[in-house]
Amino acid sequence: QVQLMESGGGVVQPGTSLRLSCAASGFTFSKFGMHWVRQAPGKGLEWVAFLFYDGSNAHYSDAVKGRFTISRDNSKNTLFLQMNSLRAEDTGVYFCARDGTVYCGGNCPRGFDSWGQGTLLTVSS
Amino acid sequence: QSVLTQPPSASGPPGQTVTISCSGSGSNIGRNYVSWYQQLPGAAPTLLMFSQKQRPSGVPDRFSGSKSGTSASLAISGLRSEDEADYFCASWDDSLSGYVFGNGTTVTVL
Repeated sequence: QVQLMESGGGVVQPGTSLRLSCAASGFTFSKFGMHWVRQAPGKGLEWVAFLFYDGSNAHYSDAVKGRFTISRDNSKNTLFLQMNSLRAEDTGVYFCARDGTVYCGGNCPRGFDSWGQGTLLTVSS
Repeated sequence: QSVLTQPPSASGPPGQTVTISCSGSGSNIGRNYVSWYQQLPGAAPTLLMFSQKQRPSGVPDRFSGSKSGTSASLAISGLRSEDEADYFCASWDDSLSGYVFGNGTTVTVL
């Protein structure tokens, strides 16, 4: 079955960088676009970024554009999120999620059909 | 402030029907697909509905979705205690070139 496992979270100071990883298994990773979604403590879900199935294009929320970079290694079935210039408001649980539509580049009909358990990032001095 | 607006809470006794609304605009719900997610306490979200009204396999038919204009709705009929959770709508937004989530609705079974 589809499995997604995030790693790389931790406690960091404002202004620093961190890279999250998401290891995928149980499906043909290279056919599906992938998302990062975050959730601040006690708050709702916030979409962060989406990467095309082949890594050719990406979309970002305004909150992270210019600071975060989403990437993937299809040979290793792994998704990444490079986070620079971290701020306190970036604190939260970061989930990776699979887009359920193969070869889709946006406005995909099948939703985010599989989610990892999340990794916690705390940005604090 | 979320681009998609949901009521913060909804409730009902066991067996009743609860409906959650998700209000957007012409750049998101008005022209794009809507999906719904359930998040049980302490757990990751799971997909509940896609393309407005399609249920993934395993989701009971007590859950139903609809869309009209720039709003979408999720109905839970035959309410059960295990339905107590947070529910979020989501859609692609053409103006933002990205996805947006609703602020979430907490469902309580009385």
